[in-house]
This record gives sequence, C-alpha cells and structure tokens, in this order.
Amino acid sequence: NAGVTQTPKFQVLKTGQSMTLQCAQDMNHNSMYWYRQDPGMGLRLIYYSASEGTTDKGEVPNGYNVSRLNKREFSLRLESAAPSQTSVYFCASSELRNTEAFFGQGTRLTVV
Amino acid sequence: QQQVKQSPQSLIVQKGGISIINCAYENTAFDYFPWYQQFPGKGPALLIAIRPDVSEKKEGRFTISFNKSAKQFSLHIMDSQPGDSATYFCAATDSWGKLQFGAGTQVVVTP
Repeated sequence: NAGVTQTPKFQVLKTGQSMTLQCAQDMNHNSMYWYRQDPGMGLRLIYYSASEGTTDKGEVPNGYNVSRLNKREFSLRLESAAPSQTSVYFCASSELRNTEAFFGQGTRLTVV
Repeated sequence: QQQVKQSPQSLIVQKGGISIINCAYENTAFDYFPWYQQFPGKGPALLIAIRPDVSEKKEGRFTISFNKSAKQFSLHIMDSQPGDSATYFCAATDSWGKLQFGAGTQVVVTP
C-alpha cells in the first residue's frame, strides 16, 4: 500500500522557471493538502482541498496554484519560481477533515 | 501569522524524564487537535489526537491535556526514550477543513 506518493523527491530550479509537484494517494481520501516546511516555521498550509472539485487557500498561497485533478491526485504548480520558494514541500491526505492526515515523503525544492 | 502557537522551540530531557510541549490557539472554530511526530528526512506521522469534548487522552507514554476555556493543549511524554528524539508538532483543524500546524518542538533525549 503506497499511501501518499510525491514526485519528484528533489528538484533544482532557476528563478523564473515553472514546475508542477505531483501528489497521489491510494486511500480513497476526500481531503488533500499542500504544505511547505521551513526551519523554525513548522508546516505552513499552502492550499487544501476538502473534496474532489474544491480547493481553498491556506496561510501562504501567493505564488502557487493547485489542481484537484480527481479524487486521487492534487498537484501544486509554481508558475514563476523565486528563491523564497526554496523549501521542503509535503502533500497530505485525510479521509475527512478531522481525521488522521497521512503525509508523503516530501519534495526538496531549491530555487537558484 | 500562525494560528497555533507552540513552545518551547526545543528541549533536552534525560532518558526516563518527562517532556512537556505546550500549544495555544485563538480560533474557536478549531475542533480537532492532533499531535504529529517527525523524524529527519521523513514526513510527519500522527502520534495522538484529541477532540474538545475531552480534557485528557492517554496512549501509552503519550498524554494530551486539553483546556478548552484557556484555549491551550499540551503533550506529555512520560519515561522519555532516545527513540523519542524527533520534532513534534501540534495542530488544529477548523470546521472548513484547514489543518494548521504549530512551529514545532525539537526534542532530544539524552542517554
């Protein structure tokens, strides 16, 4: 059982480049989340999706867009990467909004 | 601005001692309060969680204490072991489904 799978695991981008971080879960969960983790800041919510077809902004949505492609997949897009977006990105999913969230292994993104 | 405030930022405890981590919140719409444990290079994993109609929950050596009127909750790790060395995050979910985290506490258990 794979759980939550994120791709890629590592990525280096140049300032201004775009990329999409992929996330897929095989647990038939309704809710999915994207977080970024920076030293001393904990996990900050970028976007979340309470169910298929819905998305909403979290604490730090600027510079990002998301797509809930179907119930399994929730992608995060950086249209024009900036050095401030250097971070570790985590995708998570949960069956319902107030049940256990399962996290992927993370994507370490460096923008130079 | 983080809606869940966590302290301390780090703590060192001897093997067999008690680790205590505190969190506070303002948003009364929060209705689910989990704690996550994270090891280096890994994603966070659920440790224990509580709902606001309960004042305390215990699972093994881990206990959550919840004070609804003070809008505070805490994690106690009893008989701390070197394998407990990790970063711990408190979190809260509101009625719209936002799961938000505190800044984290790095716990080091010395032999």
